[in-house]
Amino acid sequence: EAGVAQSPRYKIIEKRQSVAFWCNPISGHATLYWYQQILGQGPKLLIQFQNNGVVDDSQLPKDRFSAERLKGVDSTLKIQPAKLEDSAVYLCASSLTDGIPSLPGNTIYFGEGSWLTVV
Amino acid sequence: TQLLEQSPQFLSIQEGENLTVYCNSSSVFSSLQWYRQEPGEGPVLLVTVVTGGEVKKLKRLTFQFGDARKDSSLHITAAQPGDTGLYLCAGAGSGGGADGLTFGKGTHLIIQP
Repeated sequence: EAGVAQSPRYKIIEKRQSVAFWCNPISGHATLYWYQQILGQGPKLLIQFQNNGVVDDSQLPKDRFSAERLKGVDSTLKIQPAKLEDSAVYLCASSLTDGIPSLPGNTIYFGEGSWLTVV
Repeated sequence: TQLLEQSPQFLSIQEGENLTVYCNSSSVFSSLQWYRQEPGEGPVLLVTVVTGGEVKKLKRLTFQFGDARKDSSLHITAAQPGDTGLYLCAGAGSGGGADGLTFGKGTHLIIQP
């Protein structure tokens, strides 16, 4: 079974430029998450989708970050304009449903991440 | 905001030794998960604990959920170099349902041969 696919794997941009990351979740997974993991820290949830609707975007810096999942499958995360502190790994994850994570069917699977360096 | 504190932040030990890492919070979680993350990879789920006082074993790894569901520990027996990685605990909110996970900062574990 194919896992969560992300691209690009690595990106280096200058501050104030824009960047977009793409995620293809595991087939059939209704819930999709974007997490930001700064070096030395644990992942922080940016946004959670249930199909093509946003469930939680309370920690998304909406002045510069945007995300969409128009057809309820693939998703893109965009940063414009980028700041130095946006340097991080952007992890996409998916699960079958948005139910309680303790239930086996709701295990969250992570992609390998997209590494962003803003210089 | 529910915070998870993990300790120690860094741990380097010799192969064959035992170790315990901790995950503590002032908040109650409906469930708590442990992940292992290797360099350049995303976190991979090791175990989920749900019931206060629950103990789960996964080969040489023993996970325990505190009675009050606020803390957890991970004990590794006879550590091996393959255990090297970042160990993350993550809690699901007591509200249940569509809660994203809250992660701790992780414990960086290095097992030296």
